[in-house]
Amino acid sequence: ETGVTQTPRHLVMGMTNKKSLKCEQHLGHNAMYWYKQSAKKPLELMFVYSLEERVENNSVPSRFSPECPNSSHLFLHLHTLQPEDSALYLCASSDEGVGGTGELFFGEGSRLTVL
Amino acid sequence: GQNIDQPTEMTATEGAIVQINCTYQTSGFNGLFWYQQHAGEAPTFLSYNVLDGLEEKGRFSSFLSRSKGYSYLLLKELQMKDSASYLCAVRDAVGTDKLIFGTGTRLQVFP
Repeated sequence: ETGVTQTPRHLVMGMTNKKSLKCEQHLGHNAMYWYKQSAKKPLELMFVYSLEERVENNSVPSRFSPECPNSSHLFLHLHTLQPEDSALYLCASSDEGVGGTGELFFGEGSRLTVL
Repeated sequence: GQNIDQPTEMTATEGAIVQINCTYQTSGFNGLFWYQQHAGEAPTFLSYNVLDGLEEKGRFSSFLSRSKGYSYLLLKELQMKDSASYLCAVRDAVGTDKLIFGTGTRLQVFP
């Protein structure tokens, strides 16, 4: 059982739709992440939130909009996506405290298909 | 630039030993991670190396040489359930300590 839950697990949307991915962590961590996983490509970091403040945005297109209302929840708002955005979107959390390894705990991902 | 290299696919036989290599070139270094990912599931943490040497954890061991930019994951007494992708990731010490991932090595274990 994972301490990071993502919904929905599968999403199909048209290019003009607006949808959101949700992530919730039950581990008491202070950092949360969105990663994109495409076939035969490395995991790509999209956004990092530490203590609810965005600290990293890896030049992600504005059609992806993150929101972190508190340390346990993370959203990824999607609008006017392109077919090449179809991928598995993974949420992760970590404890960035002193002395820890900072290992990531991943959710099972949201499989997005853009038609 | 930042680069993590690992083989795309490997095969092995049940009960055997397999070594998955990872080489990296990054602007900074603050630790190397190995994750296991079964098809359709979340990646799960296997090991962490920040100092040179071997870390052993049951059937799995991970080795790091910082001077060579090299790590390997050693899996002993292979089981069918070890069939998965194995992701090598380096923590980039510059900026926010984000993880840079390789493409992953898909391991298939045959009876």
